[in-house]
Amino acid sequence: QQQVKQSPQSLIVQKGGISIINCAYENTAFDYFPWYQQFPGKGPALLIAIRPDVSEKKEGRFTISFNKSAKQFSLHIMDSQPGDSATYFCAAKEAGTASKLTFGTGTRLQVTL
Amino acid sequence: ETGVTQTPRHLVMGMTNKKSLKCEQHLGHNAMYWYKQSAKKPLELMFVYNFKEQTENNSVPSRFSPECPNSSHLFLHLHTLQPEDSALYLCASSRGGTSTGELFFGEGSRLTVL
Repeated sequence: QQQVKQSPQSLIVQKGGISIINCAYENTAFDYFPWYQQFPGKGPALLIAIRPDVSEKKEGRFTISFNKSAKQFSLHIMDSQPGDSATYFCAAKEAGTASKLTFGTGTRLQVTL
Repeated sequence: ETGVTQTPRHLVMGMTNKKSLKCEQHLGHNAMYWYKQSAKKPLELMFVYNFKEQTENNSVPSRFSPECPNSSHLFLHLHTLQPEDSALYLCASSRGGTSTGELFFGEGSRLTVL
């Protein structure tokens, strides 16, 4: 049973465009929602994270939108750049656990010139 | 450089071989993890160690045997593997304890089982 569903599987966006990746979850005990970015040949690295008491968090060109009632959250990359081309994973952590994350299946983003 | 180093980066082994993956973290963290990454699948948590004690075994087959001699080192001993075990094995660390912490991943060990 996949606890965090991520879409789309792959995404092609033109330079300067907006990239949007969506995730949905069922477990209402999740209390921390990070996004990880992975470049080829590298391990995933934390990009941005949000807790369910806020609906949006922005860091530079990256924004997480969180809809608690719909149990959905999304990553928006504004002014997408070729250097943003990577695989993005959403994740969720259950309350009462420290850093035990449940990951989505990943979205491969390609930003074209 | 994330502060988490994994060796070897690539490993090819037969089904009857015994090999080990090594992970070392230089971040002063107290929790270490093994994840399995396969194409088009979510990262699968395998094992968690907190202050050298195993706190999570996510129903991993016994042909995978972890070892954590101290908070800085983590091993994954492999024996009698199957071709479907071919994957990227990622080690990660975090502050540990009860704090919600960022996971710091190594670059992974790419395992191919023939």
